[in-house]
Amino acid sequence: NAGVIQTPRHKVTGKGQEATLWCEPISGHSAVFWYRQTIVQGLEFLTYFRNQAPIDDSGMPKERFSAQMPNQSHSTLKIQSTQPQDSAVYLCASRGQGANYAEQFFGPGTRLTVL
Amino acid sequence: QQKVQQSPESLIVPEGGMASLNCTFSDRNSQYFWWYRQHSGEGPKALMSIFSNGDKKEGRFTAHLNKASLYVSLHIKDSQPSDSALYFCAVTSRNMGYKLTFGTGTSLLVDP
Repeated sequence: NAGVIQTPRHKVTGKGQEATLWCEPISGHSAVFWYRQTIVQGLEFLTYFRNQAPIDDSGMPKERFSAQMPNQSHSTLKIQSTQPQDSAVYLCASRGQGANYAEQFFGPGTRLTVL
Repeated sequence: QQKVQQSPESLIVPEGGMASLNCTFSDRNSQYFWWYRQHSGEGPKALMSIFSNGDKKEGRFTAHLNKASLYVSLHIKDSQPSDSALYFCAVTSRNMGYKLTFGTGTSLLVDP
């Protein structure tokens, strides 16, 4: 079991460019979560899919951020027109078929730096 | 909105010592509590969960929950240098849609 895979591990973009982050959940897991981690804000929930359907995007900045889960094997987080304040570690987590409060398994994260 | 605060922000304990981490939360409807540990350059990894009031022990780790006092804690016995990491408490509930709200974190350094 390779765990949750996130690519790339590091991404540097210029201000105004687009960034797409990829997440491959653990095989068989039904839920995928995206979080953002910064020194100032800590770990913040962004969005959540269950069985590929969007369930909760209450943490997503309404402009410029979007997430998709086109199939059960991957999810993407896209940031358009990146800004320096988007610099953060973006973490993806997946959860198995059991209880909704069950353990979430995190990937290593993608460190996004916006210059 | 749920607020989860942790103390202390940072902690240094000698190897073999006891580390005590504290977490308070604001939503009385909170149901499920997790402790996650994050080593540098890695994603958080679940250490243990606690869902009922009282103590729960798993090896060197003991979690304590008091929902009425809005308080959860983690105690690490016989701390090892490999325990040096960031520790987060995380809270969820049905009315939060089962998404995790993380605490502010405690940085633990175990001094060999």
